[in-house]
Amino acid sequence: GAGVSQTPSNKVTEKGKYVELRCDPISGHTALYWYRQSLGQGPEFLIYFQGTGAADDSGLPNDRFFAVRPEGSVSTLKIQRTERGDSAVYLCASSLREGREAFFGQGTRLTVV
Amino acid sequence: QKEVEQDPGPLSVPEGAIVSLNCTYSNSAFQYFMWYRQYSRKGPELLMYTYSSGNKEDGRFTAQVDKSSKYISLFIRDSQPSDSATYLCAMMDPETSYDKVIFGPGTSLSVIP
Repeated sequence: GAGVSQTPSNKVTEKGKYVELRCDPISGHTALYWYRQSLGQGPEFLIYFQGTGAADDSGLPNDRFFAVRPEGSVSTLKIQRTERGDSAVYLCASSLREGREAFFGQGTRLTVV
Repeated sequence: QKEVEQDPGPLSVPEGAIVSLNCTYSNSAFQYFMWYRQYSRKGPELLMYTYSSGNKEDGRFTAQVDKSSKYISLFIRDSQPSDSATYLCAMMDPETSYDKVIFGPGTSLSVIP
């Protein structure tokens, strides 16, 4: 597809479970970002990848959150021992390179019950 | 005090009106300023991108930055029902990094036909 694709669109999980959220960036985009957006708030930075490496993970809230991008394309955001406070829309964005316009996916709406 | 403040609205205007959306910020190091539009259940899309102080016009949209007052604005002329969305201001300090964009909470706009 032409845009950033995120799967699943919606995910409902029980407290304490493990979840994985997937992001397929625009082909050829080397920079990839994860953001979290709570209801009524703007997106909050989580992590930035340049290629395969996490260049900045300072936004990850704690060690339950982890993200990978093993081949420099698809990225997976992993959340262990989910808590109700993790409920939010998780947005992925990609850009041609750092500092260029970032294109966002439609997000994954995570609900922890 | 949050780094970026924005009146959440909702703001309701008649079709054809001029809309003014505003943000204030506290970090004087911000130099790149952006406005994003976000439709319901969609990811944000970049509308305007300006560097430092001044004005930038693109069609019906005009972005203004006043760094001395730490105040940015987005004006929408001849507003259309299709402009109904949440508008997010965002900014970045390039001295710190090009990847960490700080978003405001967004203003919800409804343009009534």
